[in-house]
Amino acid sequence: EDQVTQSPEALRLQEGESSSLNCSYTVSGLRGLFWYRQDPGKGPEFLFTLYSAGEEKEKERLKATLTKKESFLHITAPKPEDSATYLCAVQAWGNNRLAFGKGNQVVVIP
Amino acid sequence: DAGVTQSPTHLIKTRGQHVTLRCSPISGHKSVSWYQQVLGQGPQFIFQYYEKEERGRGNFPDRFSARQFPNYSSELNVNALLLGDSALYLCASSLATGGSTEAFFGQGTRLTVV
Repeated sequence: EDQVTQSPEALRLQEGESSSLNCSYTVSGLRGLFWYRQDPGKGPEFLFTLYSAGEEKEKERLKATLTKKESFLHITAPKPEDSATYLCAVQAWGNNRLAFGKGNQVVVIP
Repeated sequence: DAGVTQSPTHLIKTRGQHVTLRCSPISGHKSVSWYQQVLGQGPQFIFQYYEKEERGRGNFPDRFSARQFPNYSSELNVNALLLGDSALYLCASSLATGGSTEAFFGQGTRLTVV
């Protein structure tokens, strides 16, 4: 069974204090790894898809990287508007579902 | 461009009742998936439909059913509601199935069972 573990569960950052979120996964053949942002009471917002080890993608203050066992979401010089829960999900070959972790809840303090 | 739309946004039901949730995918998207998200957890896969056919089913009881219509919109039905069915129900649409295409989520339907 595909499994995703995210750490830390919760993180408080000062504005401008860079940090990284971890997503460890086990999957029977990775088709894709996805990062989403979710605000309270709302649906997940798509951020990135990573397909193979060594791949990196960036969007504003966020950068996602992928290895064969884990992915990192780096947040550089965060702002209060980056406060959200960040969800990691994997999709396996031969499978149409996304398996999600519990998320990393990030609070950025001004 | 309209994103994924879900209705209703909030719903309160009594134990034992039945509920129908609706989803309209992004224009041009043919695949719709349903997820259940309990507070503090990540979304859990319930169903995927593509071209009106079920392409995947998660570990949910038979009280949960779904269908997809010719215009690619979808309904999720839950019978004999239990307190534990209280959750945010999410619909996601994607271009196709069989490839790793991005899934885009709607705002969800918050279901409360009392």
